[in-house]
Amino acid sequence: GAVVSQHPSRVICKSGTSVKIECRSLDFQATTMFWYRQFPKQSLMLMATSNEGSKATYEQGVEKDKFLINHASLTLSTLTVTSAHPEDSSFYICSAEGQGSLSQPQHFGDGTRLSIL
Amino acid sequence: DAKTTQPPSMDCAEGRAANLPCNHSTISGNEYVYWYRQIHSQGPQYIIHGLKNNETNEMASLIITEDRKSSTLILPHATLRDTAVYYCIVRVQGYGNKLVFGAGTILRVKS
Repeated sequence: GAVVSQHPSRVICKSGTSVKIECRSLDFQATTMFWYRQFPKQSLMLMATSNEGSKATYEQGVEKDKFLINHASLTLSTLTVTSAHPEDSSFYICSAEGQGSLSQPQHFGDGTRLSIL
Repeated sequence: DAKTTQPPSMDCAEGRAANLPCNHSTISGNEYVYWYRQIHSQGPQYIIHGLKNNETNEMASLIITEDRKSSTLILPHATLRDTAVYYCIVRVQGYGNKLVFGAGTILRVKS
């Protein structure tokens, strides 16, 4: 089945550091990928839609200068949390779908747990 | 906002069928019903989806009412590894359309 790989799985870093998270579709091409954030005991919240070759579309309340998204190829999207602070500590998850039928399911990576000290 | 309503939690005995309900009374004609589950500290796992016909795969069955206002996900023989948060999501058909997650149902399978 479709596989989405996310790296790294866990990051611990100091406040003020910028952190890059990668999301790869391993066996299909994805012109669109999605980035979510999940705080403890809460559901997934969509942050942005990543579009290959164009700017990402951010959800209301998500700072685009804080969360930089680059989708440079059909199999890779990156999320960079710039100047991270403790309140950015969260579980970040990406998803992607292959092009095909109109009802293709999205497949998710295993997430990146970000801890800012 | 999520367009579905699910019970916050359910218990199920191991080996029994788990029936998870979902209400989506405002669903539109071009929206599919998707089910995902999330085991602790992992990304969501796709289970099944459907438009109006009942669907079955190796993981589960999806029963959609004729008026499409509600559906039920059935895990035929629940195991302890099925303990997870189950999300019912309606999504407009078409590539690149986003999934909006609600609170989901915490299913606890007990021995």
